[in-house]
Amino acid sequence: DVVMTQSPLSLPVTLGQPASISCRSSQSLVHSDGNTYLNWFQQRPGQSPRRLIYKVSNRDSGVPDRFSGSGSGTDFTLKISRVEAEDVGVYYCMQGTHWPRTVFGQGTKLEIK
Amino acid sequence: EVQLVESGGGLVQPGGSLRLSCAASGFILNNYAMHWFRQAPGKGLEHVSTTYSKGGTTYYANSVRGRFTISRDNSENTLYLQMGSLRTEDMAVYYCARDVGGADYWGQGTLVTVSS
Repeated sequence: DVVMTQSPLSLPVTLGQPASISCRSSQSLVHSDGNTYLNWFQQRPGQSPRRLIYKVSNRDSGVPDRFSGSGSGTDFTLKISRVEAEDVGVYYCMQGTHWPRTVFGQGTKLEIK
Repeated sequence: EVQLVESGGGLVQPGGSLRLSCAASGFILNNYAMHWFRQAPGKGLEHVSTTYSKGGTTYYANSVRGRFTISRDNSENTLYLQMGSLRTEDMAVYYCARDVGGADYWGQGTLVTVSS
């Protein structure tokens, strides 16, 4: 089974400063169709998860452009260029390549310093 | 507008059963693969079950296989999760989600509490 490992698990950030979350998979996430199905989700306190990024680097509709995703193969990164108060929550990476078993990372809790 | 609304959660005793529903609107359920995920209190997200589009193959996590059944009613545009032999470790908020490149839309969740 694929294992998704995020770091750090806790991320205190000053408002207006950048933030970066790493996600590593135990197997390559390159699908036989050539796509890499690595997604990022944000879960604000008391809310459902919301997808931010799909296929490594594509922002979902309505997601601010301060969020960006990058990476390839087994190593991926979510970056927030300037953290705002509304960004507080838990961020999860998720692999959808090795379907149908969907696997999430442990989650990274972003808080404001 | 795509919407998913879960219902059916509640308090159930260990060994009991419960059926969760996920009413979909804004799209035709039959054309999409659909997931159930869960999140235990204070914990991360866990994949529970998936049904492929057009009522094809189903998938279950090892932790629920043989106890849970995923199904859909296309006439009602509704996804279901029949849960049986419930255990305390099944206690969680259960979310349904549509799959387009991986869980693009989620419902608000329904809480299942397993306790005597």
